[in-house]
Amino acid sequence: AQSVTQLGSHVSVSEGALVLLRCNYSSSVPPYLFWYVQYPNQGLQLLLKYTSAATLVKGINGFEAEFKKSETSFHLTKPSAHMSDAAEYFCAVSDPPGGTSYGKLTFGQGTILTVHP
Amino acid sequence: DGGITQSPKYLFRKEGQNVTLSCEQNLNHDAMYWYRQDPGQGLRLIYYSQIVNDFQKGDIAEGYSVSREKKESFPLTVTSAQKNPTAFYLCASRAPYSGNTIYFGEGSWLTVV
Repeated sequence: AQSVTQLGSHVSVSEGALVLLRCNYSSSVPPYLFWYVQYPNQGLQLLLKYTSAATLVKGINGFEAEFKKSETSFHLTKPSAHMSDAAEYFCAVSDPPGGTSYGKLTFGQGTILTVHP
Repeated sequence: DGGITQSPKYLFRKEGQNVTLSCEQNLNHDAMYWYRQDPGQGLRLIYYSQIVNDFQKGDIAEGYSVSREKKESFPLTVTSAQKNPTAFYLCASRAPYSGNTIYFGEGSWLTVV
């Protein structure tokens, strides 16, 4: 079974500081990995995804994530935080095509990012 | 514009009543999903449908039912058998040949009073 662990339910940074949100996964097959962002009372918006191509993935709003197989990690980073980045962030995993869980996402618990002026 | 429309945004239900949440998409996606979100628990899969007239249970299907009579529509019924239905419900659909990219609607809040 797949699982995702997001380390830290709350992360607080100052505006302009580095953002680092941690995600570790467990999967019996090479995974597809995703980061989504959710603003209050809204649905989830895809930030970026890893689908077995380049291990460093760039997404929207200046975010990027690096797939590290040896560490089973897919941490999300942004060099300089902006007030508009304050939201909840979710890491998710699925099987690749042909896998039994392809088409379904398993989510982590979420990390709430607060940005201080 | 193409997208996923959920309605209503806010719904109040008395204990013992069934309620149905609507989800409509005009993206021509075959696969659709219902997730439940509770604070601090992430999203949990309730039901999913890969094609019209077919659907499967997710991780927390008890107390819920769905139908998939049309490609565009995937309504979720929260029955009186669901013991703790107060939550935020999210409908989603998957784009084909997209590396499993799943798109979400804006969600519906259900509160039991």
